[in-house]
Amino acid sequence: GAVVSQHPSWVICKSGTSVKIECRSLDFQATTMFWYRQFPKQSLMLMATSNEGSKATYEQGVEKDKFLINHASLTLSTLTVTSAHPEDSSFYICSAPGTRSYGAQYFGPGTRLLVL
Amino acid sequence: DQQVKQNSPSLSVQEGRISILNCDYTNSMFDYFLWYKKYPAEGPTFLISISSIKDKNEDGRFTVFLNKSAKHLSLHIVPSQPGDSAVYFCAARKTSGSRLTFGEGTQLTVNP
Repeated sequence: GAVVSQHPSWVICKSGTSVKIECRSLDFQATTMFWYRQFPKQSLMLMATSNEGSKATYEQGVEKDKFLINHASLTLSTLTVTSAHPEDSSFYICSAPGTRSYGAQYFGPGTRLLVL
Repeated sequence: DQQVKQNSPSLSVQEGRISILNCDYTNSMFDYFLWYKKYPAEGPTFLISISSIKDKNEDGRFTVFLNKSAKHLSLHIVPSQPGDSAVYFCAARKTSGSRLTFGEGTQLTVNP
């Protein structure tokens, strides 16, 4: 099946620093990837759609200058949380749509971010 | 506007019995529906999906039922196993595009 990896799996950083999270499709190409955020005991909130070779599409209320997305190749998308603050602490998950099962998205294992 | 809703935040069943997880949607433009399973601190895992032209899809212990007129779908797990304990999300998508709209999730606990 389709495999999506994320790196790092967890990160702790100081307030004001920037953190980059990588999302890779390992055995398939993905022209589109999605970035989600999940708070404890809450649903998955779509942050943005990453498009290979073009600008990302951000959901309403998501600051594009704070959450920088780069989809440089057909297998890699990155999310950079700039000038991180404690309220940015969350679980970030990426996904990529597969070609089977009515376009089911395949999710990475997630990245736990803690901003001190 | 919550277009996909899972009204039960939690469900507890006995091992070996049936688990029924419910999901309602409001957008008639949705054509495909999917169920995901999620453990804490992990990404969701795809379980099963169904097209709006069908009313049932079965895969092993998992069966998804779709009632399009009621805009309602359900996931049946039988027999339930302790390893099924997780949060289950239903999701929907339109024919155009690959974006998924998720419900709030239901925490399933299967007791031995």
